[in-house]
Amino acid sequence: QVQLVESGGGVVQPGRSLRLSCAASGFTFSNYAMHWVRQAPGKGLEWVAVISYDGSNKYYADSVKGRFTISRDNSKNTLYLQMNSLRAEDTAVYYCAKVSQSVVVADAFDIWGQGTMVTVSS
Amino acid sequence: DIVMTQTPLSLSVTPGQPASISCKSSQSLLHSDGKTYLFWYLQKPGQPPQLLIYEVSNRFSGVPDRFSGSGSGTDFTLKISRVEAEDVGVYYCMQSIHLPLTFGGGTKVEIK
Repeated sequence: QVQLVESGGGVVQPGRSLRLSCAASGFTFSNYAMHWVRQAPGKGLEWVAVISYDGSNKYYADSVKGRFTISRDNSKNTLYLQMNSLRAEDTAVYYCAKVSQSVVVADAFDIWGQGTMVTVSS
Repeated sequence: DIVMTQTPLSLSVTPGQPASISCKSSQSLLHSDGKTYLFWYLQKPGQPPQLLIYEVSNRFSGVPDRFSGSGSGTDFTLKISRVEAEDVGVYYCMQSIHLPLTFGGGTKVEIK
């Protein structure tokens, strides 16, 4: 079935790095843009970044621009989020999400992963 | 950035009664392609969000017909005709006409 599974979360000290992965299955991964969305404990949803279906276009929220890098490996059906210079305010559950229409960068998110928790703390 | 404002913050509803959530955007969500890029999600406790409504009023696959969306431009509404126990959670609206994508602050629905 169509599925997204995140991994790579954990506890990290401020200023350190972490790389999240999102393994996709059940659909043609290379046809769809992918997004990262995060949710701080007890808070609402915050969009983080998007990468186009072929990896040629990437966009970021101002809050992570210059620190986070989104990438994908279509041969491995995997999405990544490299997070550098982590701050306490980056503490959140990170979800990967698939757009519902092929090729377009932004649309409804029809499939979400279960999320992976990132805690930035000394 | 487009600001999405949801009201109310929370709702306590008797099973079988209707519920309504408002979402207002700071800019029109009507695209030149004729579509309006407004979506509704439900996040049930302990789960990721799930898509309910796309492009204002279209129910996503498997979504019960007690859920309906309406509105245009900058003013949108999600209605539940008869709330059931399984509808508890936080409802979010989201726009995707412009990056950064933005979400409303959420409306928590609970059962009386």
